[in-house]
Amino acid sequence: EAGVAQSPRYKIIEKRQSVAFWCNPISGHATLYWYQQILGQGPKLLIQFQNNGVVDDSQLPKDRFSAERLKGVDSTLKIQPAKLEDSAVYLCASSLDGTESYEQYFGPGTRLTVT
Amino acid sequence: AQSVAQPEDQVNVAEGNPLTVKCTYSVSGNPYLFWYVQYPNRGLQFLLKYITGDNLVKGSYGFEAEFNKSQTSFHLKKPSALVSDSALYFCAVRDRVRGYSTLTFGKGTMLLVSP
Repeated sequence: EAGVAQSPRYKIIEKRQSVAFWCNPISGHATLYWYQQILGQGPKLLIQFQNNGVVDDSQLPKDRFSAERLKGVDSTLKIQPAKLEDSAVYLCASSLDGTESYEQYFGPGTRLTVT
Repeated sequence: AQSVAQPEDQVNVAEGNPLTVKCTYSVSGNPYLFWYVQYPNRGLQFLLKYITGDNLVKGSYGFEAEFNKSQTSFHLKKPSALVSDSALYFCAVRDRVRGYSTLTFGKGTMLLVSP
């Protein structure tokens, strides 16, 4: 089965610019997650979708970050405007069902550098 | 809130020797615990999980983990390390938000296996 796909793999932008990341989860997975992984730290959940509804976005900086999951499949995460501290790897993951403790499957991530 | 701690930033072991990567947890209720591995420029890969049952959980690539309730620990182990096991290892605990499962990760432990 195909894994979680993400693009782009790398992105370099200047501060105050905008950027968007795309994620395609494993087919049939109802739950999709976006994580931010800063160098030297574990992944931090930004937002969790169950189908196309938001379950948890308590750690999403909503003044600059936004995410959507149209039709309950693909998802995009946007940052506008970017700050230096947004430099990180953005990981997308999916699981069969977020109501149970199914394991999460991760994509390769997008490494964002903000200069 | 649920949390996990990984007290070691790095673990060094010689190939063929047993390895242990430590994790302690703090939860309310029964803990659901996970181990993930991250290779360079790759997403996280699921290794194993403890939900209930036997305290010794077997996972992928010959890894196992021992759940110890009295010590609130969930250490990752392997009887004989391989150079290819060198990677970043994350312990995680399930949390629940409005009935949905989410993961809180530790900061990670770098495992270096020398030939």
